[in-house]
Amino acid sequence: GEDVEQSLFLSVREGDSSVINCTYTDSSSTYLYWYKQEPGAGLQLLTYIFSNMDMKQDQRLTVLLNKKDKHLSLRIADTQTGDSAIYFCAESRAHSSASKIIFGSGTRLSIRP
Amino acid sequence: DGGITQSPKYLFRKEGQNVTLSCEQNLNHDAMYWYRQDPGQGLRLIYYSQIVNDFQKGDIAEGYSVSREKKESFPLTVTSAQKNPTAFYLCASSSSNQQVYGYTFGSGTRLTVV
Repeated sequence: GEDVEQSLFLSVREGDSSVINCTYTDSSSTYLYWYKQEPGAGLQLLTYIFSNMDMKQDQRLTVLLNKKDKHLSLRIADTQTGDSAIYFCAESRAHSSASKIIFGSGTRLSIRP
Repeated sequence: DGGITQSPKYLFRKEGQNVTLSCEQNLNHDAMYWYRQDPGQGLRLIYYSQIVNDFQKGDIAEGYSVSREKKESFPLTVTSAQKNPTAFYLCASSSSNQQVYGYTFGSGTRLTVV
């Protein structure tokens, strides 16, 4: 199938870790991405991981890739109120003569005090 | 600073009218894209263009039209044939190194039919 799948909602307590999960379908995908969308704004690229990597860490963000299960996760350590947003998982997929990025439906992260 | 600009931020349309959403980029990107976002749903691709004077339909092109006369500009027209046009519209662009850097998005236009 075509879908990149994510759960729609996640609620975490401020200061805890958030883990957002994603499954994708194309085993030939070369790059996988996490985008963040704040209310009323466009999408901002947070991080990406190349398919030959298992993990990538960037400050409070950790991306884990399990190619066997086609599973991608984003962990946000010490979640803050500014992390409230929709997070999109995406994969780069070969399409005709060019690659194309396929987006999931997004996970809305809400932070409770 | 380089970036991608969408205008207007909010747009109201009467039923039966065509409206055009603007998207301009100064990133020297070859490819440009239009997405539609509805509440609780992901991004759905309307049209994309990989080079000037060429564009392809995405997954939901019916009721929309585009042009790509200049590299910097990719306007989207929402025609009266689009039955449910109220949505948030996002424009994006990408370089030839798109796989590494992904897409750069504009800040969106919220279209409401009144």
